[in-house]
Amino acid sequence: GNSVTQMEGPVTLSEEAFLTINCTYTATGYPSLFWYVQYPGEGLQLLLKATKADDKGSNKGFEATYRKETTSFHLEKGSVQVSDSAVYFCALSAHLGGGYQKVTFGIGTKLQVIP
Amino acid sequence: EAQVTQNPRYLITVTGKKLTVTCSQNMNHEYMSWYRQDPGLGLRQIYYSMNVEVTDKGDVPEGYKVSRKEKRNFPLILESPSPNQTSLYFCASSWGLAGSTDTQYFGPGTRLTVL
Repeated sequence: GNSVTQMEGPVTLSEEAFLTINCTYTATGYPSLFWYVQYPGEGLQLLLKATKADDKGSNKGFEATYRKETTSFHLEKGSVQVSDSAVYFCALSAHLGGGYQKVTFGIGTKLQVIP
Repeated sequence: EAQVTQNPRYLITVTGKKLTVTCSQNMNHEYMSWYRQDPGLGLRQIYYSMNVEVTDKGDVPEGYKVSRKEKRNFPLILESPSPNQTSLYFCASSWGLAGSTDTQYFGPGTRLTVL
């Protein structure tokens, strides 16, 4: 079956540091890839997505590139802020036929940014 | 405002006492889903629904029931809750027909404790 692998963390960074959260996946076919963010006490919300190989998703200074050759979708940000402290989930979505969309999530990586 | 709502947000109950967590979306989405979030396990799908009266099991359906009598509502039913169902629950919805590029919209979560 499909799977998504990411470190659980926590990842602790100082403000303005560079962020990388690694995400690798296993899937058949051509999944779409997503990063969702969960702020404390809230539900998940979409951060960015990419639907085909070599696509780059970007939002709020975050970027991730869909690398089919390495089956990866690493999340990066050049300069993190305290307000970026949250849990980040990598996910893939694949069609299994019959209109059914199967979404598989990673375990989530907690990011703590200290002033 | 487009949103997914869940009620209650917090619930403490005792083993064996039937409960229902409601979920409602106002985006006319076809696809709805329930997840549970547990430390170290990420999000795991419990049940999903592709449309009214169409539901199916996800990865961890044991001990749960769902129904989809109206497009906007997708309640999660625990007929006889047990302590291992203590978790954070999320409802999500998406268009479902646009393929695997769909973004999921999440509710704010329901924190359930079963004593």
